[in-house]
Amino acid sequence: QKEVEQNSGPLSVPEGAIASLNCTYSDRGSQSFFWYRQYSGKSPELIMFIYSNGDKEDGRFTAQLNKASQYVSLLIRDSQPSDSATYLCARGASGTYKYIFGTGTRLKVLA
Amino acid sequence: DGGITQSPKYLFRKEGQNVTLSCEQNLNHDAMYWYRQDPGQGLRLIYYSQIVNDFQKGDIAEGYSVSREKKESFPLTVTSAQKNPTAFYLCASSPPGGGSNQPQHFGDGTRLSIL
Repeated sequence: QKEVEQNSGPLSVPEGAIASLNCTYSDRGSQSFFWYRQYSGKSPELIMFIYSNGDKEDGRFTAQLNKASQYVSLLIRDSQPSDSATYLCARGASGTYKYIFGTGTRLKVLA
Repeated sequence: DGGITQSPKYLFRKEGQNVTLSCEQNLNHDAMYWYRQDPGQGLRLIYYSQIVNDFQKGDIAEGYSVSREKKESFPLTVTSAQKNPTAFYLCASSPPGGGSNQPQHFGDGTRLSIL
């Protein structure tokens, strides 16, 4: 079983719609969760991080964490073609300095 | 501007050759990491270092070596023992305090290919 699971996609949404990206994880002890955006051929860029159950909003982005169900989501409102990228979900491996990454979900925003 | 600098951007390795990838940060971060990314894949941890003069193997350390003589620098050597080195190599660092509760930040990466 993979430690962090993401649907590889592609997830296609029309411009202006809400894109919903999901991630599940297997370690109930995980405390920290991160979302990165990676454009083709580029390095990952941190978008959001979340530690507590519930929602955390930053501009058009909302991260949602549900520790009981072991999932974390990223919502992108008013999606733009420039949001087209691969989104990586990661968690901090509790009690260590290591991070566990999912394989990413490819998002396509159609103009 | 603070950040993580990786060089070179592109690197070619000949058969039997060792090559070294540079990673320098001026963020005053304690922890530094090396990842490998293959096409369509996630990030796989090669080595990481929590403090100067200390480092630990990640999930795919075979064929690689590192050093951490200065806080700012964490070079990665891809040795001739690594038979499939073609990949995108990413260096990252994280702020002090809280271990992996702190977000990581990445350099721009080095793309390594075999000649």
